[in-house]
Amino acid sequence: AQTVTQSQPEMSVQEAETVTLSCTYDTSENNYYLFWYKQPPSRQMILVIRQEAYKQQNATENRFSVNFQKAAKSFSLKISDSQLGDTAMYFCAFMEYGNKLVFGAGTILRVKS
Amino acid sequence: NAGVTQTPKFRILKIGQSMTLQCAQDMNHNYMYWYRQDPGMGLKLIYYSVGAGITDKGEVPNGYNVSRSTTEDFPLRLELAAPSQTSVYFCASSYGGQGAMNTEAFFGQGTRLTVV
Repeated sequence: AQTVTQSQPEMSVQEAETVTLSCTYDTSENNYYLFWYKQPPSRQMILVIRQEAYKQQNATENRFSVNFQKAAKSFSLKISDSQLGDTAMYFCAFMEYGNKLVFGAGTILRVKS
Repeated sequence: NAGVTQTPKFRILKIGQSMTLQCAQDMNHNYMYWYRQDPGMGLKLIYYSVGAGITDKGEVPNGYNVSRSTTEDFPLRLELAAPSQTSVYFCASSYGGQGAMNTEAFFGQGTRLTVV
């Protein structure tokens, strides 16, 4: 079964600085997708960034980028120039093609002014 | 488009009661999911469906049932509610199929359920 592990229950960062959230996963498949979702206090789930496993190039979306290490089964999220609005719970998620979407336990990120 | 609509938003149940959480999507998505989120925790998959008439168990299916008679609707049934089922329930959907753009999951606003 696929598992997703986020080893950092909580992180904090100063406004304008950079922070990296960690995620590892376990699978025997070669083709799959990885995601980072953000859940602010409003409880709404928001897709931050996604990565296709067959693409070696790391995905980027504005201030958000990932470090995808397929052999190590690692998928970390880097947030640059952190903003107060980035304060949220961040979930790493995994999906094999044609299969279920599984989430990690989440990391609470607090951006301090 | 409404996206993913969950009803009700809040509900208090007594132990032993039953209820159905409704979920509907208007995006013609094939995949639908039910998750529960306990306070301060991650999302645990209860059941999922890859198309009408097809459902499968997730990580925590005990105490729940689902059906998928149409593409649009994916109700979650709680039988004999227990305090351990107190949680926030999220329904989600995605198009499915190959390609990253088809994999984005869209979420409903959640249902906060309390069993007393």
